Amino acid sequence: ILNVEQSPQSLHVQEGDSTNFTCSFPSSNFYALHWYRWETAKSPEALFVMTLNGDEKKKGRISATLNTKEGYSYLYIKGSQPEDSATYLCALREDNYGQNFVFGPGTRLSVLP
Amino acid sequence: DVKVTQSSRYLVKRTGEKVFLECVQDMDHENMFWYRQDPGLGLRLIYFSYDVKMKEKGDIPEGYSVSREKKERFSLILESASTNQTSMYLCASSLATRNQETQYFGPGTRLLVL
Repeated sequence: ILNVEQSPQSLHVQEGDSTNFTCSFPSSNFYALHWYRWETAKSPEALFVMTLNGDEKKKGRISATLNTKEGYSYLYIKGSQPEDSATYLCALREDNYGQNFVFGPGTRLSVLP
Repeated sequence: DVKVTQSSRYLVKRTGEKVFLECVQDMDHENMFWYRQDPGLGLRLIYFSYDVKMKEKGDIPEGYSVSREKKERFSLILESASTNQTSMYLCASSLATRNQETQYFGPGTRLLVL
């Protein structure tokens, strides 16, 4: 079974700090990478879909990069705020059939005021 | 906005009970999915469906079954609940296109089996 890893498992940062975390995947199995934010007691919410090596996506203070050759994606949060506290999931699609994702275990971010 | 709803946020059941988890989406999506999420693990796919009355096993189908009688509704059934099925269950839906289609999730059902 395809393995998608995320690191760190959790982190705590102070309000205003910038932070980043990693999603790693086998570089030979790639069709698209999705990032989700999952706040407690809410539904996971889609952040980005990334498909091309070198892709960079941005949404407000959150951005993501993709390196398909080496098999990783970084998610960056600039100037973290308490409302950024959530679990960030990455999910890999291996192909264009079946529409199935393989999810990483997530990075749990806590932003302390 | 896509809306995916799940019938319960929390459920407590006893070992051996039959459990139904219901999921409804309002955006006419063809694909629907059931996942479970356990600490330290990624979301794991139990079953998915790409059309009415169609179903496919995911990675961990043992102990579960599903039903999709209508396009908007996808039910997960635990025929005889066991304690190792205590988990968070998430439903998702997506369009059946050949693009990098996002899955839209419900808020989850936290099931405790005693």
